[in-house]
Amino acid sequence: QVTLRESGPALVKPTQTLTLTCTFSGFSLSTSGMCVSWIRQPPGKALEWLARIDWDDDKYYSTSLKTRLTISKDTSKNQVVLTMTNMDPVDTATYYCARFASGSYDAFDIWGQGTMVTVSS
Amino acid sequence: QSVLTQPPSASGTPGQRVTISCSGSSSNIRSNYVDWYQQLPGTAPKLLIYRNNQRPSGVPDRFSGSKSGTSASLAISGLRSEDEADYYCAAWDDSLSGVVFGGGTKLTVL
Repeated sequence: QVTLRESGPALVKPTQTLTLTCTFSGFSLSTSGMCVSWIRQPPGKALEWLARIDWDDDKYYSTSLKTRLTISKDTSKNQVVLTMTNMDPVDTATYYCARFASGSYDAFDIWGQGTMVTVSS
Repeated sequence: QSVLTQPPSASGTPGQRVTISCSGSSSNIRSNYVDWYQQLPGTAPKLLIYRNNQRPSGVPDRFSGSKSGTSASLAISGLRSEDEADYYCAAWDDSLSGVVFGGGTKLTVL
């Protein structure tokens, strides 16, 4: 059974750096075709894709947020970490991690439950 | 402003067939797969349709997807009250080298 779970601070102050961890099970990020993405959703608004890391360590970032994002993986711990610098109140959102199975579904087939992050002083 | 354009709302009565559109461009929908996600209130999105028209196991065949040119559609037949949710389309965008989502469509079952 494939599961993903997001963890991180519920509250961050403006200008701080946010660090989120996605801990997953049921698959390995060293397996060809496996990828993990981060997606966020501000309250009452649409989904926004943020970043993706692939089994071969290729990385992709949202064009609009590229300068603020870093995605990395620890294959031995089954974790993917996203850092976002210079947080602003507009970054308040639920942050999801999701598996992307390249070559099979070619879609986000499994999602975590999400973690709500509020940016406020 | 989302790269993929969806109607903000749609509605239907139980048993009806409803269609939700998703409009994009040559750099996303025309040249890549389209996926659809269902988000029930207060929950994480769930994959509904992948590779334009494929259903994951467990998704009823009442849900179907199609694509033509720079547009895609999600059709729901035999509408049920539990279909009331937000629906999002998504696709890879070659120009942006990233995934783009639609703005979402809120489906109401009257």
